[in-house]
Amino acid sequence: NAGVTQTPKFQVLKTGQSMTLQCAQDMNHEYMSWYRQDPGMGLRLIHYSVGAGITDQGEVPNGYNVSRSTTEDFPLRLLSAAPSQTSVYFCASSSRRRPGEAFFGQGTRLTVV
Amino acid sequence: AQRVTQPEKLLSVFKGAPVELKCNYSYSGSPELFWYVQYSRQRLQLLLRHISRESIKGFTADLNKGETSFHLKKPFAQEEDSAMYYCALSTSGTYKYIFGTGTRLKVLA
Repeated sequence: NAGVTQTPKFQVLKTGQSMTLQCAQDMNHEYMSWYRQDPGMGLRLIHYSVGAGITDQGEVPNGYNVSRSTTEDFPLRLLSAAPSQTSVYFCASSSRRRPGEAFFGQGTRLTVV
Repeated sequence: AQRVTQPEKLLSVFKGAPVELKCNYSYSGSPELFWYVQYSRQRLQLLLRHISRESIKGFTADLNKGETSFHLKKPFAQEEDSAMYYCALSTSGTYKYIFGTGTRLKVLA
């Protein structure tokens, strides 16, 4: 009963490094999305996908790339990490039949030094 | 522009006291409103959605379109209610959420 799984849970990067945050769901959900959570700012949408092969930008997409080659996976790539990307990242998925009920991963705490 | 406002960063109440977490939104169409909760060391999870008009863990929330509000209420707070609460809006026909900044509820013994 995994639901939405994110890896890693914690990561420290140096400025300029790249990395990929992994997100996988086993509920066959069509919709997947990435949010970042910053103090005093709530959760902000980075990128989202309505199905395999389809992605689009959210509110704060700069510095991030995504792809959706399968229904299950939705990785988030940081191209060249910056201190401003220090945050907690959440992946979420939901079903087209119940789009209002999102299931969240446990989060990835990223620190860029 | 769509926006969700939670004016209180922190709300402290005593056990057994009533709780009201405020949420106001701005959206010109027909929104769907939700409350999500994040307990300590747990993932964010759905608590309530306005279309269900249900009570979960004693919490209720009514959508007031006139006041553009979706306040979360519970008549008698319990210590286990201590958590971070987020109000979220989904514009009609989409699955993208706009979250408020969250309110941390602390229920004191």
